[in-house]
Amino acid sequence: SQELEQSPQSLIVQEGKNLTINCTSSKTLYGLYWYKQKYGEGLIFLMMLQKGGEEKSHEKITAKLDEKKQQSSLHITASQPSHAGIYLCGADMYHNAGNMLTFGGGTRLMVKP
Amino acid sequence: ETGVTQSPTHLIKTRGQQVTLRCSSQSGHNTVSWYQQALGQGPQFIFQYYREEENGRGNFPPRFSGLQFPNYSSELNVNALELDDSALYLCASSPPGREKLEQYFGPGTRLTVT
Repeated sequence: SQELEQSPQSLIVQEGKNLTINCTSSKTLYGLYWYKQKYGEGLIFLMMLQKGGEEKSHEKITAKLDEKKQQSSLHITASQPSHAGIYLCGADMYHNAGNMLTFGGGTRLMVKP
Repeated sequence: ETGVTQSPTHLIKTRGQQVTLRCSSQSGHNTVSWYQQALGQGPQFIFQYYREEENGRGNFPPRFSGLQFPNYSSELNVNALELDDSALYLCASSPPGREKLEQYFGPGTRLTVT
């Protein structure tokens, strides 16, 4: 099993609907990153969470890190076709000095107009 | 735009050959990491370079090697290519002191091994 589990693996929603993507680890996460990737392209940074209970928002996307720092959720409100893509959570799991990230398997989001 | 560029965009190689992929980071970004992303999976950490020295390595064999240059560019070299090396290769860079806060990924190089 992966160290960082994402759910669901894929998601199809109607435009305007809300959705939530989860990222879960059995280990404490020292930093949790959310990225968006268009198919076959590079990763676009969305948000980074460090503190237990932290919540950040950008436009219609909100990310939270639970108090235990082992689970994060990404919530999109009133989804739009532009939200379609692959959402990846990446985590600093070993508290190393550099920027090695462990990634989940990704959640593939499709938004139907 | 992240300011991180990679070349080439796409590459096709034959099993057993060698390949060099290139990454150009933003000026001042002295930490660069390389990741391999197989189709349908999340990226996997290959290794990281800091000030031209390898500073961490994932579970990849020695035929994966790298270089980092003073001009903030870097290379990923793969020898004796195998079919399973087909993937999107991503580099990511960070400004000094902000490795844990800011990581900028390039668009990737799609490598196909036949």
